[in-house]
Amino acid sequence: TQLLEQSPQFLSIQEGENLTVYCNSSSVFSSLQWYRQEPGEGPVLLVTVVTGGEVKKLKRLTFQFGDARKDSSLHITAAQPGDTGLYLCAGWWVETSGSRLTFGEGTQLTVNP
Amino acid sequence: EAGVAQSPRYKIIEKRQSVAFWCNPISGHATLYWYQQILGQGPKLLIQFQNNGVVDDSQLPKDRFSAERLKGVDSTLKIQPAKLEDSAVYLCASSFTAGGYYEQYFGPGTRLTVT
Repeated sequence: TQLLEQSPQFLSIQEGENLTVYCNSSSVFSSLQWYRQEPGEGPVLLVTVVTGGEVKKLKRLTFQFGDARKDSSLHITAAQPGDTGLYLCAGWWVETSGSRLTFGEGTQLTVNP
Repeated sequence: EAGVAQSPRYKIIEKRQSVAFWCNPISGHATLYWYQQILGQGPKLLIQFQNNGVVDDSQLPKDRFSAERLKGVDSTLKIQPAKLEDSAVYLCASSFTAGGYYEQYFGPGTRLTVT
């Protein structure tokens, strides 16, 4: 199983601040997904990045896939309390048995009003 | 479109007892996943089905965990006997097929407490 390391593990900031969450690996992934999970619910997909160097924006969230497809970042501009949640990166790779997936450990974000 | 259904939502059992979880994926989704998520951690894949065949069960503790996917639709995950360290949320997810181009839709999970 390929490993994904997320940092920081915990992040507590004030409303209006900017933040970046990192997802790193020594392995190459065919694609990488970011999910957000709220208490008592399952994760919900935010974005999928496929091409090395790809940047995608979702309102105040900017996602980037590293050139070598081994790492990714999530940047939130002007964070709001509604952004609070567990942010998870998940990397896909391909084996002879099919496509496989691994999740990072997550970043718990708290945005204080 | 109905989402992924799971039951029960909560379960409390004593160690060495057995427990079963049920999952009904989104209609038409060929791939079904079971994850174990310990509090504060990311989900860990236990088993992945493609239709009714197992694609990946490398992280499933096969001495106590078992799973099946009936007729390529519903799935059950069983633990027998349970240990204290099995306390976690068990998430079921489904996707149209496997691969990073396809979104996984997650159910709300079953929170298991083993005492």
